[in-house]
This record gives sequence, C-alpha cells and structure tokens, in this order.
Amino acid sequence: EVQLVESGGGLVQPGGSLRLSCTASGFTFSSYWMHWVRQTPGKGLVWVSRIKSDGSNIKYADSVKGRFTISRDNAKNTLYLQMNSLSAEDTAVYYCTRDNNSWFDPWGQGTLVTVSS
Amino acid sequence: EIVLTQSPATLSLSPGERATLSCRASQSVSSSLGWYQQKPGQTPRLLIYDASNRATGIPARFSGSGSGTDFTLTISSLESEDFAVYYCQQRSNWYTFGQGTKLEIK
Repeated sequence: EVQLVESGGGLVQPGGSLRLSCTASGFTFSSYWMHWVRQTPGKGLVWVSRIKSDGSNIKYADSVKGRFTISRDNAKNTLYLQMNSLSAEDTAVYYCTRDNNSWFDPWGQGTLVTVSS
Repeated sequence: EIVLTQSPATLSLSPGERATLSCRASQSVSSSLGWYQQKPGQTPRLLIYDASNRATGIPARFSGSGSGTDFTLTISSLESEDFAVYYCQQRSNWYTFGQGTKLEIK
C-alpha cells in the first residue's frame, strides 16, 4: 500500500523556522517527483513546491520562494520542506503528495503548521 | 496564474440524484484538468485526470467532461459516501486549484 506520512508540524513564532518531513512507503520513492501542497480554510488548496525524482528541477510558488527549501533523501525515502521566516500567512495544513503525470496522487495525512506569537 | 472558478459553492442534493459540478478556467488549459474529492477529516483523493479519465478505483458513477476553459464533474446517482467537497485542479501552467464545491445532503 502506498503511504505518505508527514511530520514536523507545530506551533512556531513569526519569523521562526520549521522543517517538515514526509516518509514514503509502498512504492519506489526514488522514481517519483514529489510535491508539497498546503491547505487553509481561507485560500483552499495551494501548491507550494516540487522536486524531481533525483533531487533536481526544483520549483516554488512565488509566495514561498526564498524562504522555503524542498529536498529529498532517496536512501531514506523521505521528502523535506525547510520553512524559514514564517509568517501568519504560512499557517496551514501541509501535505506531501506524489506526482502522477502532474496530478497529485496520493496525499499524505497532512501536518498542521501554526504561526502565532 | 490560471484561476479556476467552481460553481456552485454549495450543492444540496439527495441520495440517488444526479450531481453536476462546474469548473471554469481563466484561460485554456486544454484537457489538463483534474478533480479531487475531500471528505471531512480526510485528505484529497484524485478522482478524474486529463478532464475525463477516472483514476484507479474510482466508481463509474463519476465522470468528467470538457476541454479548454469549461469542465464538468458528474456523479450519476449520488450515494451517501459522495457527500464531500470537490476541487478541480489544472496542470497546464504550474498548478492551481479551484476554491471547491461542497456537496451536501438535502
């Protein structure tokens, strides 16, 4: 069974940093592009970042460019999202999701990031 | 950025009825449009990709149509587990989602 399990979310102060992880199982992680997508009640689903199977071809949404860094460790079957200079606008549930011809399938259960003082 | 506008925001129907959900793109996305279902407390699930192809394991009562800027998700006969929020997504120019249509029990 394909599984994606996120971790690392929590409460962080404005200006702070957080590192999210997503551990994959049930498929050959090193063969797939991966993405981060976030969800808020106000803005809905928003794509954040993507990374190619070999760790190249990295792209970010304009809203996080320069602050977030996506990476992966194929030996550990793990995707990461390093988030710096966080603001209240970054408060969201963050999902990792597998790229399936640029469709998102499947999704992890999500991890909640709350930026508040 | 391609903006996807879904309508209606909320659709109230009864089990057994036919549901028709719309998604309109601000510019042509060809057939690069997908649909996701999200039930309360669950994660989104891919239903339809490339406008009209059902994803693995999706029941035949779900169908998608359209191309260019206008797309439709149809559920032929609603079952209780179909009441959820539905999102469209385009992959023609990066990735954007619609704001969702909530399908609720009447």
